[in-house]
Amino acid sequence: AQSVTQLGSHVSVSEGALVLLRCNYSSSVPPYLFWYVQYPNQGLQLLLKYTTGATLVKGINGFEAEFKKSETSFHLTKPSAHMSDAAEYFCAVSKGSNTGKLIFGQGTTLQVKP
Amino acid sequence: EAEVAQSPRYKITEKSQAVAFWCDPISGHATLYWYRQILGQGPELLVQFQDESVVDDSQLPKDRFSAERLKGVDSTLKIQPAELGDSAMYLCASRPSGTTRSSTDTQYFGPGTRLTVL
Repeated sequence: AQSVTQLGSHVSVSEGALVLLRCNYSSSVPPYLFWYVQYPNQGLQLLLKYTTGATLVKGINGFEAEFKKSETSFHLTKPSAHMSDAAEYFCAVSKGSNTGKLIFGQGTTLQVKP
Repeated sequence: EAEVAQSPRYKITEKSQAVAFWCDPISGHATLYWYRQILGQGPELLVQFQDESVVDDSQLPKDRFSAERLKGVDSTLKIQPAELGDSAMYLCASRPSGTTRSSTDTQYFGPGTRLTVL
C-alpha cells in the first residue's frame, strides 16, 4: 500500500527565509509524486510533479522539489519565502496507473512572518 | 484557462436532510474524482469515474452517499441523510484519460463545496 508522511503540520518562516517542507512516501512501485497548494476555502493547485527523468523538479512560484529514491523523500523548497506563500501544502503519491488515484499526506500549513 | 466548476460553494444543512453537490469537469476530461477533505487533513478519494462508469468507490459510504455521471460529463454527489460527521470540504477533480505514464496524470481540482451539518 502507498502512503505519504509530511513531517511537521505547521512550519513558520520569516519573509525572505528558506522554505523547506518535508515529505516521505512509501510505495511498492515507482511512484508519481506531487505537491499541491491550497489557499483558504479554495481547491488544490498543482505546484509541481515528478514522473520520470530529472529528479530535481521545478514548479510554479519559485518552488522546487527533489526526488530521492534512496531516502524515499520528495521535499519541497523555495529559496526565499514571500507573504503570499502562506497556505497549506499537500504532498501526494500516485501509482501512475490509469486510475491516477492520489494518496495525500496530512498537509503542512506554512506561515510566513513579516 | 479551463477550470473545474463546482456548486454550491457553501452548503449548510441539518442532520438527516439530503444534500447534493454538482461538478462540471474540464471539457474533454474523461476521468472525474470526488474527494472528501476533513478540516486539518488531506483529501481522501470517495469515488472515481471513467466516462460514465465507476472505477473505484471503495471508500464511498454507500448506505448514505451516491454519485452519478450519467452522460460522462458532469457529475452529482448526494448524501442522504446527512450526519454531523459529514461536515467537510468536497472536492471534485478531473484528468484527461490516459493509459501510459505521461503528463496526463495531473489532476485538476475545482474550488470545492464546504458542507456544514448542524
